Amino acid sequence: AQTVTQSQPEMSVQEAETVTLSCTYDTSESDYYLFWYKQPPSRQMILVIRQEAYKQQNATENRFSVNFQKAAKSFSLKISDSQLGDAAMYFCAYRRAGNQFYFGTGTSLTVIP
Amino acid sequence: DAGVIQSPRHEVTEMGQEVTLRCKLISGHNSLFWYRQTMMRGLELLIYFNNNVPIDDSGMPEDRFSAKMPNASFSTLKIQPSEPRDSAVYFCASSRGVGHTEAFFGQGTRLTVV
Repeated sequence: AQTVTQSQPEMSVQEAETVTLSCTYDTSESDYYLFWYKQPPSRQMILVIRQEAYKQQNATENRFSVNFQKAAKSFSLKISDSQLGDAAMYFCAYRRAGNQFYFGTGTSLTVIP
Repeated sequence: DAGVIQSPRHEVTEMGQEVTLRCKLISGHNSLFWYRQTMMRGLELLIYFNNNVPIDDSGMPEDRFSAKMPNASFSTLKIQPSEPRDSAVYFCASSRGVGHTEAFFGQGTRLTVV
């Protein structure tokens, strides 16, 4: 079965600094998608970024970027120029074609003013 | 385009009562997921449907839980009878089944069973 591991239950970052959240996954598939979701205190799950496994280029969305290492099955999220609004729980997720999503246990990010 | 819509947002009920949670999918989506979120267990997949057909219900805790998709755009999750340990936030999410697109989540229903 696929598993997604987030080894950092909590992280903190100074406002305007950069932080990296870690995620590893286990799969025998070669074709899949990876996602990072953000859940602020409002509890709404918001997609931050996604990565297609067949693409070598790392995905980027404004201040958010990923470091996708397919061989190592690693998918970390980098947040640059951290803002107070980035404070939230962040979930890493894996999905194979037309299949269910597997979520990690989440990393709680605190942004220090 | 409206997102995934869940109702109610909050539900408080007494132990033993029946609870029904509702979810309206995004138009054009054909995969539907029900998740439960608690502090202890995180996000747990309860069941998911493709084209109205339940594909995997192995996450449904027990017979007290049931989920249906009476049509392509609507789903219900029913708990009967409810117990205090069912207290959690229940999320519904939808996606396009073809390919590997992301899931779009509703705002969740916070259920409290007293």
